[in-house]
Amino acid sequence: SQQGEEDPQALSIQEGENATMNCSYKTSINNLQWYRQNSGRGLVHLILIRSNEREKHSGRLRVTLDTSKKSSSLLITASRAADTASYFCATVRKTSYDKVIFGPGTSLSVIP
Amino acid sequence: EAQVTQNPRYLITVTGKKLTVTCSQNMNHEYMSWYRQDPGLGLRQIYYSMNVEVTDKGDVPEGYKVSRKEKRNFPLILESPSPNQTSLYFCASSLLGTGGVRPQHFGDGTRLSIL
Repeated sequence: SQQGEEDPQALSIQEGENATMNCSYKTSINNLQWYRQNSGRGLVHLILIRSNEREKHSGRLRVTLDTSKKSSSLLITASRAADTASYFCATVRKTSYDKVIFGPGTSLSVIP
Repeated sequence: EAQVTQNPRYLITVTGKKLTVTCSQNMNHEYMSWYRQDPGLGLRQIYYSMNVEVTDKGDVPEGYKVSRKEKRNFPLILESPSPNQTSLYFCASSLLGTGGVRPQHFGDGTRLSIL
């Protein structure tokens, strides 16, 4: 079953613009994590946000979490061509904190 | 260097021929997990392990086996592979916190083709 669903599925922007990706989930969570995957490579962790947090920053990344709407967003500011990758959200649920559920991902293309 | 190592990286094999994909981590992580990635479906969890000798099913465990005899190793076994197990497989490891699974470190993946 899909816990996280990213939106949009694909996003194409110009270098320097901001990119926003959204993630919705179905059940209560302990934490939500965002990952990045360059083509054919392993995933790299970006940010973890706990259920009692609303916003976190890391460099050009900003993640928000709205537990009432069961949604999260990842904002990449001043995008670069090197940001071209797929981005996934992953949820750790309250009821089964040992399982991790990934969404299908957003494919981001940043055009130089 | 902290890493998760999977072997082999690529494998083409035939239906029914048993195979094992190895996974090893050097970070003393309690939690290890296997995922498969298929186009449009994202990553789906196959099996995971909370510690030595503790394993549990993920969302798509059918056709797979795992074992956790040592903390650092978590092999994935396909006893009788079938074409629908053709996929990109990832092993990952992490610490466990009070809020559940912490950020995972991923291996580089194993691309498996079953003819």
